[in-house]
Amino acid sequence: DTEVTQTPKHLVMGMTNKKSLKCEQHMGHRAMYWYKQKAKKPPELMFVYSYEKLSINESVPSRFSPECPNSSLLNLHLHALQPEDSALYLCASSQEFRTGPFLSSYEQYFGPGTRLTVT
Amino acid sequence: QKEVEQNSGPLSVPEGAIASLNCTYSDRGSQSFFWYRQYSGKSPELIMSIYSNGDKEDGRFTAQLNKASQYVSLLIRDSQPSDSATYLCAVIQGSSNTGKLIFGQGTTLQVKP
Repeated sequence: DTEVTQTPKHLVMGMTNKKSLKCEQHMGHRAMYWYKQKAKKPPELMFVYSYEKLSINESVPSRFSPECPNSSLLNLHLHALQPEDSALYLCASSQEFRTGPFLSSYEQYFGPGTRLTVT
Repeated sequence: QKEVEQNSGPLSVPEGAIASLNCTYSDRGSQSFFWYRQYSGKSPELIMSIYSNGDKEDGRFTAQLNKASQYVSLLIRDSQPSDSATYLCAVIQGSSNTGKLIFGQGTTLQVKP
């Protein structure tokens, strides 16, 4: 089973709203990721959690706030977004993130994404 | 030079033909290579991973890796219209002590009936 779930599927929010995106996996993976993808572009890494600790923040604006309540859940809290933040937000997971002996541990599996529109 | 390069396409092939998708990478120490398929409006789906020089086959898909030439390719045999999608090449660089994926820009494949 390589399923990563994300909710909601679609989200429309105003620039003054606060909303959250949720991601869940039950594969026992210890690394979870948030990506942002604009049309006709590859995914851009935003954050990485490894063993529930934030490992990478790719200089993402503070209006995006990640949270990893436990090893299966990942949230992305949104506040005061701009229209240019409209995109497909993807969650992914892998067995590991840091260097290890098994290269297959870094295979990342993506969820279906949340289509975010900021008005 | 981009870290991972792909021809954006579109690559158009007739149904039943072999589609050949190519990717080059700049970091000679890279060890992990992935192909993702992404349908329009959907999320990327991992279809192949390859770690050693040579060929790796899975059904109609064959991934080929040549580390000396810093080249990885994906062959799709007996192409079907349902294979029409964007194919993303992704690499984990050898210089990284993390599993951060570096994506190419993607190649759009069109399979015509």
